[in-house]
Amino acid sequence: DTAVSQTPKYLVTQMGNDKSIKCEQNLGHDTMYWYKQDSKKFLKIMFSYNNKELIINETVPNRFSPKSPDKAHLNLHINSLELGDSAVYFCASSPGAGQPQHFGDGTRLSIL
Amino acid sequence: GQQLNQSPQSMFIQEGEDVSMNCTSSSIFNTWLWYKQDPGEGPVLLIALYKAGELTSNGRLTAQFGITRKDSFLNISASIPSDVGIYFCAGYNSGGSNYKLTFGKGTLLTVNP
Repeated sequence: DTAVSQTPKYLVTQMGNDKSIKCEQNLGHDTMYWYKQDSKKFLKIMFSYNNKELIINETVPNRFSPKSPDKAHLNLHINSLELGDSAVYFCASSPGAGQPQHFGDGTRLSIL
Repeated sequence: GQQLNQSPQSMFIQEGEDVSMNCTSSSIFNTWLWYKQDPGEGPVLLIALYKAGELTSNGRLTAQFGITRKDSFLNISASIPSDVGIYFCAGYNSGGSNYKLTFGKGTLLTVNP
């Protein structure tokens, strides 16, 4: 039983395209997150949502638009993809604020 | 923003050896977490620490929340080949948001059989 699941696992696309990544958690958690991991493996928070409400937007370009239809889902839509967007994107969830986060297996985005 | 200084950056050890890595910060943290990431997967939580001075074990892993609340260490005893991976410290800064987890840059562990 996958706790935090992301789709797709791999995404290869051309510069300028628009793409979406989906995330679902079956842990009953209230809080969900998106992270970007760069080529040096550094993990940086992008967005935090609590009960479908945006709590943190860590100065992410507005080409990135998260959407939370319910507290079990947090999807990430990216417009006008750029070369610098190539990275691994991780979704995570936690029971609430200040709690340990549980991560999905990542979506590897490659921009050609 | 707040940063976590994690060291060492990488370690190359022989199977059976003990390993120690640590994280320090100039800020006070409320919670310290240790994660392990295997290739192609997401970080997996190993140990969570909530109180200054707390010492917690998970099998061969032991982690401590520093008394000053500005540091934490992780020890792995009697390493085995499957311990290979990247270990991350992470924490919630007491002066920041509890919705923002700050990560160290990771320690890459290689175990020689």
